[in-house]
Formats: sequence, C-alpha cells, structure tokens
Amino acid sequence: DAKTTQPPSMDCAEGRAANLPCNHSTISGNEYVYWYRQIHSQGPQYIIHGLKNNETNEMASLIITEDRKSSTLILPHATLRDTAVYYCIVRVASSGSRLTFGEGTQLTVNP
Amino acid sequence: DTGVSQDPRHKITKRGQNVTFRCDPISEHNRLYWYRQTLGQGPEFLTYFQNEAQLEKSRLLSDRFSAERPKGSFSTLEIQRTEQGDSAMYLCASSPQRINEKLFFGSGTQLSVL
Repeated sequence: DAKTTQPPSMDCAEGRAANLPCNHSTISGNEYVYWYRQIHSQGPQYIIHGLKNNETNEMASLIITEDRKSSTLILPHATLRDTAVYYCIVRVASSGSRLTFGEGTQLTVNP
Repeated sequence: DTGVSQDPRHKITKRGQNVTFRCDPISEHNRLYWYRQTLGQGPEFLTYFQNEAQLEKSRLLSDRFSAERPKGSFSTLEIQRTEQGDSAMYLCASSPQRINEKLFFGSGTQLSVL
C-alpha cells in the first residue's frame, strides 16, 4: 500500500471548517483513499473514502486532486467532539485487504 | 447492532505470564481483524480471519502470539510468556465481506506488562 504523509498536528476553532491535508504521491490506480479518526481511548472510526471523485457524507467531505497525489478531508463545522487523531490511508480495492495506519494528524478543536 | 465488544478493557500482568483477550464482532460480520497500538503510533495490523480461517498474519505476530476464531464468531488473542514490549492497546475490528468494506473497531484491551 502507498505511503501517506500528514502533518502531525493542527488546530481549528469551534464552528469553523477543519481542512486536513494528506499527500499520497505514490498512490496506484487501484488504491482508494480512506479516512479514519480515533478519539482518545476509543478504537478508530471510519469517516469516508474515495477513488477519484470528491465524496461527501454526513460526517465530512473528501476532496481528491485530479492527479490523485493528495487529498483533503473537510469537516465543515468542527465541534469539540471532533478533537481526535485523523488517519489518511490508501488501500487496494480488494476485499479483506489490510488497513495500514500511519501516525495521523492530531486535530484539536478549540472553543 | 451492539458494536464490536472487547474484553477485558484493561489487563495488568507480570512478565512471563500468559494472557488471553476476547473479541465479539458485529453479528454477521464474517471478517475479523486484530491490531496492536502503542502510545503515539497508529494501529499496526496483526492478523485477519474470514469466518474461522486465519488468512493473513503479520511478521509482528511472533510465535508467542496465537489467535483463533473457532466457530467463525468470537475470536481470542493469546500472548504467551509476556514481555514488557508487549504492553500496548490490542484492537479488534470486524467487517462484512465485500469490496471496500468499512472496518468497525472495538474500544480495545489495554495490556500493561510489569
């Protein structure tokens, strides 16, 4: 699986959009971009995934560049409960393939 | 759907002792994964089951570690002759069998080896 690069930490004001970047310059054509987050003392939680097109769900939006070498996770209105470590993962599109986590980005949402 | 359940939440043991953790996946999820996480690091893959078959094992899973899923439902992870380096959070996840399936994680078992 391709390696990802994320900033170690970011801050965001409550109510503002949080934009979390991820570089995955060696991504292959059959690899999807996944985002998970981990709130302190809990297991990781799935947020969103995509291949080429931008994706949106009830939790977040995922913007993938046209060359697919980077992406941005957007939390449109961050709350204090969004404080967590956010992991960007690229994964081959086959069932059962493992998730390879990096160190992620610690997002702190401030009041 | 009660989520992935792991037991115990915390385990303190002395070096050299054996420990066993249990994971109950979401019912009807036939895939089950074990991960290990140390402080400040992301989770690391250990092993994966599809039903009762163990299909993949990481090099991290030394011969002191064994995982089972005897009836394709709950799973156990046993560590024999524990070492201080085994201290970590052990996470279990389950998923249905399809392409690009989401993994649902439990809250983990925190192991401390003294």
